[in-house]
Amino acid sequence: AQKVTQAQTEISVVEKEDVTLDCVYETRDTTYYLFWYKQPPSGELVFLIRRNSFDEQNEISGRYSWNFQKSTSSFNFTITASQVVDSAVYFCALSPSIQGAQKLVFGQGTRLTINP
Amino acid sequence: GEEVAQTPKHLVRGEGQKAKLYCAPIKGHSYVFWYQQVLKNEFKFLISFQNENVFDETGMPKERFSAKCLPNSPCSLEIQATKLEDSAVYFCASSQRMFGATNEKLFFGSGTQLSVL
Repeated sequence: AQKVTQAQTEISVVEKEDVTLDCVYETRDTTYYLFWYKQPPSGELVFLIRRNSFDEQNEISGRYSWNFQKSTSSFNFTITASQVVDSAVYFCALSPSIQGAQKLVFGQGTRLTINP
Repeated sequence: GEEVAQTPKHLVRGEGQKAKLYCAPIKGHSYVFWYQQVLKNEFKFLISFQNENVFDETGMPKERFSAKCLPNSPCSLEIQATKLEDSAVYFCASSQRMFGATNEKLFFGSGTQLSVL
């Protein structure tokens, strides 16, 4: 069975602080894909990153960085120098291997509020 | 088109009425997915299509939900005899290829907010 856990339901920080959103996943597949999506107050889902299970390189994109640790089944997301526009609900998601249905299994989401 | 287009944005139905939602995937995308988001957080996979063929329907409630993707038409999700618990945002997503392909991802529409009163 596939499962994604985002233990932090809500996080609130002051602008310019760094913040890390945790994501822990469970899967028996040896090949799988991990994603982060952002859902701003307007409601749409915005793709942020995809990571393949066989690629453990960490990634940085501007103020965003992702730490993939296969040994602990975690795929954490850090925002450096947070801004008010980062306020949103962030979802971590897992897709099983190619023999799976290619569907995404989402975590419960973390509501991030950046206060000015 | 360059984005997944969902219509309508909002839909209000009385309990027991039918609801029909539409989705036009990005042009050239072969896979279409429907997800239900309840209480603003929990996403539930409903069904996926590869072109006009059902790819995975393991999430579909069998009794009242149906979906189609016909050639040259928007895909549709239909709920017969809606219930209060069907109130949710329904997202459609599309992808060009399977996730095994490098950098493939799901592109989501803006969702349809269904309110059953």
